[in-house]
Amino acid sequence: DAKTTQPPSMDCAEGRAANLPCNHSTISGNEYVYWYRQIHSQGPQYIIHGLKNNETNEMASLIITEDRKSSTLILPHATLRDTAVYYCIVRPRGPSGKLIFGQGTTLQVKP
Amino acid sequence: DAGVTQSPTHLIKTRGQQVTLRCSPISGHKSVSWYQQVLGQGPQFIFQYYEKEERGRGNFPDRFSARQFPNYSSELNVNALLLGDSALYLCASSPGSMMDTQYFGPGTRLTVL
Repeated sequence: DAKTTQPPSMDCAEGRAANLPCNHSTISGNEYVYWYRQIHSQGPQYIIHGLKNNETNEMASLIITEDRKSSTLILPHATLRDTAVYYCIVRPRGPSGKLIFGQGTTLQVKP
Repeated sequence: DAGVTQSPTHLIKTRGQQVTLRCSPISGHKSVSWYQQVLGQGPQFIFQYYEKEERGRGNFPDRFSARQFPNYSSELNVNALLLGDSALYLCASSPGSMMDTQYFGPGTRLTVL
């Protein structure tokens, strides 16, 4: 089972920041938080990941709370092309390094 | 650089048949993972291969098998197809095995009639 909880859907106005929350209250100290998105049955696209510090790249920012029990993915200026299902994944340790996907959050960016 | 490629893009089979799906990883990546995504759900892990050895297996029946070749490409085989095997099959590659970031291909859409 997925170790994360996300709202099933969110709306965001085009040009505004999209803030996608994720709860992972049972995360272990050495587990990373990964974010992927999937646009209409294409392959999932890697966005960003982090352990305990905030991270930023050209796509998004990841804010992880100090207790690591939750995080927020921030898309600073959402566009219509950001409409997708966003998956927050806590990656378990182990030889396979498998990703366990939950249901994700469907983000709808509206003009 | 080319990303992960998968073939074919779409496939239609009938129940009881066998299917082989193919995946070419990003150049330099030595690990390939396979996922199944049924409509309306998130992807589910099937296998991971690293340096031609199986490193992980998800909760799938023995009808599902895979292998990795010396050039690090991979095949996923599914025997005795069932209607429930209809799904998007995704391949992901990563540089190493354990905690490297996985990058996904576009998937193969399998329809079983």
